Amino acid sequence: DTEVTQTPKHLVMGMTNKKSLKCEQHMGHRAMYWYKQKAKKPPELMFVYSYEKLSINESVPSRFSPECPNSSLLNLHLHALQPEDSALYLCASSQEFYGDRRQAFFGQGTRLTVV
Amino acid sequence: QKEVEQDPGPLSVPEGAIVSLNCTYSNSAFQYFMWYRQYSRKGPELLMYTYSSGNKEDGRFTAQVDKSSKYISLFIRDSQPSDSATYLCAIHTGNQFYFGTGTSLTVIP
Repeated sequence: DTEVTQTPKHLVMGMTNKKSLKCEQHMGHRAMYWYKQKAKKPPELMFVYSYEKLSINESVPSRFSPECPNSSLLNLHLHALQPEDSALYLCASSQEFYGDRRQAFFGQGTRLTVV
Repeated sequence: QKEVEQDPGPLSVPEGAIVSLNCTYSNSAFQYFMWYRQYSRKGPELLMYTYSSGNKEDGRFTAQVDKSSKYISLFIRDSQPSDSATYLCAIHTGNQFYFGTGTSLTVIP
């Protein structure tokens, strides 16, 4: 089973709303990632959690707030977003972030539209 | 120079053709190489993962790493219309993840 599950699949939110994206994996992976992908562009790394600790924050605006409640779950809390934040948000996981077992498996993404 | 360079295509081939997709990278220390396939409006799907150099084969797919040339390739044999997608190379090194821009492939029946 190489499944990473993301909910919701689609989300429309206003600029004053607060919402959360959720990601779940049950593969025992200890590294989890959030990526943002705009149309016809490659994914851009936002955050990496390794062993439930935030390891990488790629200078993401504070209106995006990640949370890793346990080794299987990863959330992305959204607040006061801008229309330019509309994109496909992808979650991924890998067995490890460092070492040889770092191949990442992606979820199907949440398509976010900010109006 | 970008860490990873990939020709965006688009690439269009007839069904049954052998497809060659390529990326070049900048740092000879890179060791972990991945190929992803992404269908429109879906998440990337991991196709191949290679550590260091050499070839790796899985069904119709072969991944090749040439560290001397800093060149990675994905070959698709007997291409099918269902292979039509965007193919992304990716490199994971240290605490950095680099994606190529993706090559759009269309296999024509």
